[in-house]
Amino acid sequence: DAGVIQSPRHEVTEMGQEVTLRCKPISGHDYLFWYRQTMMRGLELLIYFNNNVPIDDSGMPEDRFSAKMPNASFSTLKIQPSEPRDSAVYFCASSLGQGMGIRGTEAFFGQGTRLTVV
Amino acid sequence: KNQVEQSPQSLIILEGKNCTLQCNYTVSPFSNLRWYKQDTGRGPVSLTIMTFSENTKSNGRYTATLDADTKQSSLHITASQLSDSASYICVVRNYGGSQGNLIFGKGTKLSVKP
Repeated sequence: DAGVIQSPRHEVTEMGQEVTLRCKPISGHDYLFWYRQTMMRGLELLIYFNNNVPIDDSGMPEDRFSAKMPNASFSTLKIQPSEPRDSAVYFCASSLGQGMGIRGTEAFFGQGTRLTVV
Repeated sequence: KNQVEQSPQSLIILEGKNCTLQCNYTVSPFSNLRWYKQDTGRGPVSLTIMTFSENTKSNGRYTATLDADTKQSSLHITASQLSDSASYICVVRNYGGSQGNLIFGKGTKLSVKP
């Protein structure tokens, strides 16, 4: 398996524009997570899905952010309109099971999308 | 409040030297703790996982320890190599709660110099 695939790797956009980030999870994984990483705050969970259904979106900063998972192999994170403070690296991760057991299950991360809003 | 604190924030060492990274957590109830390595421009990759019953676990030159009583973990790197330069992130899983049950530390940035 190629791992979690994100696109684009880099995105530079002007303030006010719509931005769409894409993610293909590892085949067979039933959990998908969107994270945002900044120097100040580290990794923050934005939203996660289980079997394509959004479970917890409490980390989504505001209504400008939305995420969808139309099928098991694809998810998008959309920012509309984008603002300079949205500049960050956005990671998608997937796992097989959320790991309610003691050992937990490992989340596999994509390479991230570096978003710059100017 | 569930939190994970890592120290130091950054560290510079010479190639071949050893170093130890610290992780303190207040997550409860505790399930397990993972150390991730994140190379520049890449996503985090798991190094090791510790459960409450495990005190020490090694993965090559990486050795993780866990003290569930004091809620502390450490990652010891032996005979460092230039390729060890990365951010090391401590992640604690708890039962229940939001955030997908994972609480992330902000990481320690390690630079290994020749």
